[in-house]
Amino acid sequence: DTAVSQTPKYLVTQMGNDKSIKCEQNLGHDTMYWYKQDSKKFLKIMFSYNNKELIINETVPNRFSPKSPDKAHLNLHINSLELGDSAVYFCASSSSGGLYGYTFGSGTRLTVV
Amino acid sequence: QKEVEQDPGPLSVPEGAIVSLNCTYSNSAFQYFMWYRQYSRKGPELLMYTYSSGNKEDGRFTAQVDKSSKYISLFIRDSQPSDSATYLCAMSGDNDMRFGAGTRLTVKP
Repeated sequence: DTAVSQTPKYLVTQMGNDKSIKCEQNLGHDTMYWYKQDSKKFLKIMFSYNNKELIINETVPNRFSPKSPDKAHLNLHINSLELGDSAVYFCASSSSGGLYGYTFGSGTRLTVV
Repeated sequence: QKEVEQDPGPLSVPEGAIVSLNCTYSNSAFQYFMWYRQYSRKGPELLMYTYSSGNKEDGRFTAQVDKSSKYISLFIRDSQPSDSATYLCAMSGDNDMRFGAGTRLTVKP
């Protein structure tokens, strides 16, 4: 049973398109996150939701919009995709504000052509 | 200055070597310190977790935290080819988690 699952695993799309990535966790965690990992492996926080409420919104273009229908799901919608959006996007979840670490999904590799 | 500094490597060692991975940080509010291991094309997985200063051992892995120097380390004893991965340090406090850039490690048979 996958603890944090994200779909799709791979996404290749053209510039200007709109796409969504879905994430679900079955760990009972109350906080979920989206991270972007660039080609140099640097993990950068994008958004964080606690019990469906947005608590972290880093400097991210407003083309990126997270949505949390319930505390087990956090989706990421991206409008008007650009070449620079190509990266691996990781969903993660935690309890207790993440003080004891996060559980990551396996990532969505987005390629914009 | 970045909040968390980590040498990206790459680091290549022979099988059986002792590996030392390090991070420095600038935010004194960090209280919880972690190491994640990330295999190629996988998500990071939590390897070690320590609270405040001190040492923690788990099998071949030892995590050290020196809060006075704002310096954390991960030691891998008797390294194996299966340890080849990227290792990311992370630290949290005040509802904030920051990751290092990751060190890519290769253990050669």
